[in-house]
Amino acid sequence: EPEVTQTPSHQVTQMGQEVILRCVPISNHLYFYWYRQILGQKVEFLVSFYNNEISEKSEIFDDQFSVERPDGSNFTLKIRSTKLEDSAMYFCASTRTSGSSYEQYFGPGTRLTVT
Amino acid sequence: GENVEQHPSTLSVQEGDSAVIKCTYSDSASNYFPWYKQELGKGPQLIIDIRSNVGEKKDQRIAVTLNKTAKHFSLHITETQPEDSAVYFCAASKGGSQGNLIFGKGTKLSVKP
Repeated sequence: EPEVTQTPSHQVTQMGQEVILRCVPISNHLYFYWYRQILGQKVEFLVSFYNNEISEKSEIFDDQFSVERPDGSNFTLKIRSTKLEDSAMYFCASTRTSGSSYEQYFGPGTRLTVT
Repeated sequence: GENVEQHPSTLSVQEGDSAVIKCTYSDSASNYFPWYKQELGKGPQLIIDIRSNVGEKKDQRIAVTLNKTAKHFSLHITETQPEDSAVYFCAASKGGSQGNLIFGKGTKLSVKP
């Protein structure tokens, strides 16, 4: 069964450094998402992406965040200058078709630790 | 803003018993309500979902009910097994969005053998 994959599984970085989190969505999916989950808290929407552009973003997704689909398979989340409060699990998700009524499949996540 | 409330935060049942988790949502334009199971160290796994034109959906031991008037939906797990132990999240789609899911805070379910 196709799965969303993410790398790395764990990333440790120093405050102020840039990090890139990578995702490979399910191959025939068209919509891609990033969510984050601070330890012990709920999963929060960051951004959705379709047709090589951002469809929607939350207030969490400020100027230090960016997303990109550099080739036909990868979908990346870049955090330009990490802060301590960026420490969280970051999940990538994808869905086959548009809108809010179709199943989103999540990857296993990347645990980001900012020291 | 839009919000999803989930109860209880923890639930402990004996193997074979039923478990019920309840969620309420605030966005009247929400039309899609998935449930995710998250095991330790893993990503959320979609286990069942329901759309706003349906009141109930069942898949083997798992069922979900939706009351649009009251803006609440529930997950029912029957004949629980130890492998059902996990954190369960409900979510509701944000009205007018392209898949922005608003999650509840999660319910940690423990099934004791």
